[in-house]
Amino acid sequence: GAVVSQHPSWVICKSGTSVKIECRSLDFQATTMFWYRQFPKQSLMLMATSNEGSKATYEQGVEKDKFLINHASLTLSTLTVTSAHPEDSSFYICSARGDGQFIPLHFGNGTRLTVT
Amino acid sequence: AQKVTQAQTEISVVEKEDVTLDCVYETRDTTYYLFWYKQPPSGELVFLIRRNSFDEQNEISGRYSWNFQKSTSSFNFTITASQVVDSAVYFCALSEAIDMRFGAGTRLTVKP
Repeated sequence: GAVVSQHPSWVICKSGTSVKIECRSLDFQATTMFWYRQFPKQSLMLMATSNEGSKATYEQGVEKDKFLINHASLTLSTLTVTSAHPEDSSFYICSARGDGQFIPLHFGNGTRLTVT
Repeated sequence: AQKVTQAQTEISVVEKEDVTLDCVYETRDTTYYLFWYKQPPSGELVFLIRRNSFDEQNEISGRYSWNFQKSTSSFNFTITASQVVDSAVYFCALSEAIDMRFGAGTRLTVKP
């Protein structure tokens, strides 16, 4: 079945540094990728939607300059948390959808980010 | 705007009990999809089921069953003869077009 790989699975960084998270579709071309954030004991909140080759669409309240999303190829999307702060500590999870596919969306295993 | 409500924040049962997780949704679209996912402590999302708005047939998969009622906008999930390994957070989700929106989740604890 379709697999989405997310890397790294966990990362610890210092406040003020930037962190890049990768989301790869391994056996299909992901025309659309989604980035979610999940705070402890809360639901998954959609941060942004990205289509290959175009700018990401951010949800209301999500700072696009802080959470940079690049979807330069059909198999890779990256989320960069710039100038990370402790309040950015969260579980970030991506999902991917191929052209012509609709459901289910395939999810990565998530990245746990801790900013110290 | 689409919305998913999982009113049960936490449920605790004893092994072998049956348990039903509720999900109520709101949408203006006639075409939409509903999902259930399981999130164990390790964090990954495990796909359980998908239903489209035109298919109200209930489904059973082993100990799992789902009851889709358009009249009440509900898509409830029942685990029969629960097991300790069923302990997890369960999310109901709704998709109208491209993206997917999740409910708040229900944390299920199954005690031995």
